[in-house]
Amino acid sequence: KAGVTQTPRYLIKTRGQQVTLSCSPISGHRSVSWYQQTPGQGLQFLFEYFSETQRNKGNFPGRFSGRQFSNSRSEMNVSTLELGDSALYLCASREEGSYEQYFGPGTRLTVT
Amino acid sequence: GNSVTQMEGPVTLSEEAFLTINCTYTATGYPSLFWYVQYPGEGLQLLLKATKADDKGSNKGFEATYRKETTSFHLEKGSVQVSDSAVYFCALSRNSGGYQKVTFGIGTKLQVIP
Repeated sequence: KAGVTQTPRYLIKTRGQQVTLSCSPISGHRSVSWYQQTPGQGLQFLFEYFSETQRNKGNFPGRFSGRQFSNSRSEMNVSTLELGDSALYLCASREEGSYEQYFGPGTRLTVT
Repeated sequence: GNSVTQMEGPVTLSEEAFLTINCTYTATGYPSLFWYVQYPGEGLQLLLKATKADDKGSNKGFEATYRKETTSFHLEKGSVQVSDSAVYFCALSRNSGGYQKVTFGIGTKLQVIP
């Protein structure tokens, strides 16, 4: 099976812009979670989607949003970008009922 | 709430040295515990897991034992290699409202020098 893929791998945006990141989970995995990874804060949970519904959300402002499509692919959107949004954004998928998450390589977002 | 505490590092060791990375957790109930590894430029990979007290997870020479009495899940390896250089994350997973909620530690960077 193909692994979790994320596009794009690298992105440079300017403050105030918005960005959309994409994640394709492993075939058959219906749960997709998003994390923000920064040197100072480590891995912070953004949200989890299952069967097109958000069922878990971390402590991030409303500028961070996501959605999941019927084929389980997921997107996350960040509006009105701030310098502090510069981070590696990781997506992970898993089978329902399993503890194990499979991570993609991440999208490195730089906000200037 | 749930939390995971681990040293940030970096931890620098010579090849063939013994490795210990400490991890302690706070959680109600009976979480499952994990170690993930992140090699440079890659996402996280599950290294090992333990789902109940006294379980020992092991993989690629790494081991960790679920100690409920000390709320710990320390990662050990008897003889590290340069290829083990990576960032190691301790994590716990707990069922919350019918869903699995995962909490990660901050990650410990390991550098192994020849």
